[in-house]
Amino acid sequence: GQSLEQPSEVTAVEGAIVQINCTYQTSGFYGLSWYQQHDGGAPTFLSYNALDGLEETGRFSSFLSRSDSYGYLLLQELQMKDSASYFCAVRASDTGRRALTFGSGTRLQVQP
Amino acid sequence: DTGVSQDPRHKITKRGQNVTFRCDPISEHNRLYWYRQTLGQGPEFLTYFQNEAQLEKSRLLSDRFSAERPKGSFSTLEIQRTEQGDSAMYLCASSSTSGSQDTQYFGPGTRLTVL
Repeated sequence: GQSLEQPSEVTAVEGAIVQINCTYQTSGFYGLSWYQQHDGGAPTFLSYNALDGLEETGRFSSFLSRSDSYGYLLLQELQMKDSASYFCAVRASDTGRRALTFGSGTRLQVQP
Repeated sequence: DTGVSQDPRHKITKRGQNVTFRCDPISEHNRLYWYRQTLGQGPEFLTYFQNEAQLEKSRLLSDRFSAERPKGSFSTLEIQRTEQGDSAMYLCASSSTSGSQDTQYFGPGTRLTVL
């Protein structure tokens, strides 16, 4: 089956840069997504990588290396509102082509 | 675009009772997903609809769980004979066939507590 590994917690200060890593094991990989979830809120889509390389969207960037089964989310110019949980998720053929399998999440705490 | 809505937002029930949740996806989205999330974990896939057809179900989905999307618009998720282990947040998400299946828009969820 699928498995995803990401750190459980990360702490950083306002204005800093933080990288959240995700490694995965799966068969028939389609792509890696990142979602943000504030406490009590719904997951919100951030980015998606199907091919190797870096995707940039404003202060957030996401990277994928298919050969290493590895990706990361990079958050720049951290703001207090970035304090949230961040989930990587994969879609792959071994658990159905449409389902997303989520990691356990990385809780990011941004300090002043 | 009013977003994905779910009803009720909270449900408290006694063990053994049946419960039903409703999800209204974004109006032009024909893909609909149900997930379950427990504290400190990521969402766990339950089932997927494309229009009214249920195309995928998690192997972990107990036969006490059933979902429908009769007219390809709103969907219901029913849990029969609830157990304390069913306590979780039940999330609905939708996406468009013109977009990526990886870009899913989540509703606020229904928090179920089984006493």
